[in-house]
Amino acid sequence: AQSVAQPEDQVNVAEGNPLTVKCTYSVSGNPYLFWYVQYPNRGLQFLLKYITGDNLVKGSYGFEAEFNKSQTSFHLKKPSALVSDSALYFCAVRDWAAGNKLTFGGGTRVLVKP
Amino acid sequence: DTGVSQNPRHKITKRGQNVTFRCDPISEHNRLYWYRQTLGQGPEFLTYFQNEAQLEKSRLLSDRFSAERPKGSFSTLEIQRTEQGDSAMYLCASSLALSGSYEQYFGPGTRLTVT
Repeated sequence: AQSVAQPEDQVNVAEGNPLTVKCTYSVSGNPYLFWYVQYPNRGLQFLLKYITGDNLVKGSYGFEAEFNKSQTSFHLKKPSALVSDSALYFCAVRDWAAGNKLTFGGGTRVLVKP
Repeated sequence: DTGVSQNPRHKITKRGQNVTFRCDPISEHNRLYWYRQTLGQGPEFLTYFQNEAQLEKSRLLSDRFSAERPKGSFSTLEIQRTEQGDSAMYLCASSLALSGSYEQYFGPGTRLTVT
């Protein structure tokens, strides 16, 4: 069975500082990995994905994520956080051998303080 | 591109009543998914369609839940004899079955409150 862990319920960071949101996963086959962001009363917005190729993937709004196969991690990063990045972030995995469903982590709330 | 739309956005119902939600996917997307999200949790997969065929269902989808996608376009999710535990946000997502394009695009959700 596939699973995702986001070990931090909340991350606090000052505006302009680097932001990291952690994610580890478990799958039986090759992972497809995704990050989504959710603003209040809104659906999930796709940020970026790792399917294959370069371990560092770049996405929307200046976010990037690094795939680390040995550590089974896919941490989300942004070099300089903005107050508007305050939201709920979800990591998700799809096991290519287990169908098309996404399995999500529990989410990490990011609070960027001015 | 108008994105994924869901109706209604909010539904309040009494325990034991039936409710139906609608999802309109992005027009060219042939895959459609339903997820359920409870407060403080990540979305949980319920079911998935490719065109009009329902290809996968979660064990979370009890006999009281039924989903359809009759013409491979919009989809409906019906919950019969609602229970308080059904209170959640119901999310719909769609995707295009194309090599390299695996991301799912989500609608704003329907928030169900069962009183």
